[in-house]
Amino acid sequence: QQQVKQSPQSLIVQKGGISIINCAYENTAFDYFPWYQQFPGKGPALLIAIRPDVSEKKEGRFTISFNKSAKQFSLHIMDSQPGDSATYFCAASRFGAGTSGSRLTFGEGTQLTVNP
Amino acid sequence: NAGVTQTPKFRVLKTGQSMTLLCAQDMNHEYMYWYRQDPGMGLRLIHYSVGEGTTAKGEVPDGYNVSRLKKQNFLLGLESAAPSQTSVYFCASSYPPLGHREAFFGQGTRLTVV
Repeated sequence: QQQVKQSPQSLIVQKGGISIINCAYENTAFDYFPWYQQFPGKGPALLIAIRPDVSEKKEGRFTISFNKSAKQFSLHIMDSQPGDSATYFCAASRFGAGTSGSRLTFGEGTQLTVNP
Repeated sequence: NAGVTQTPKFRVLKTGQSMTLLCAQDMNHEYMYWYRQDPGMGLRLIHYSVGEGTTAKGEVPDGYNVSRLKKQNFLLGLESAAPSQTSVYFCASSYPPLGHREAFFGQGTRLTVV
């Protein structure tokens, strides 16, 4: 059961364009929604994250939009650059003490290519 | 400060062979995780640990075992490797949840089972 669904699977954007990646989740107990960026041959690294008490968070060219009622959130990359070419994963987690931990549930990933 | 280090980076196994993947972190993190990454399936949690001496099952634990004898190390074992275990394995660690819950990942181990 995939609790976090991500689309599209791949995305090609021209330099300077806007890249948009969407995610939908099922578990309303999730309370932390990060995006991870992964370059080839590397491990994922945290890019930006949001909590459900805000509808938008912006860091530089990267923005997360969050719609709690629709259980959806999206990553927008403004002025996309060739250096942004990577795989992007959305994720969700729920605060859990003790043995539950704070496990991240990941989406399927989106391979972004930004053409020069 | 090396962060999260995985050993080895690449490995080819024959079906039925066993091996251990080592993960070491130098950030004094309590929580450690093992994920596998397969095309189109994202990262799926295999096992995790919330502290030294503890382990728990994740989404896809079958065929794997883990141990956390020391806080800084988390070992993933394959007792009898199968072709279905061909994947890229990532170890991650994080500080206990107090607001921001960033997970730090290693560079991965690419395992091929033939």
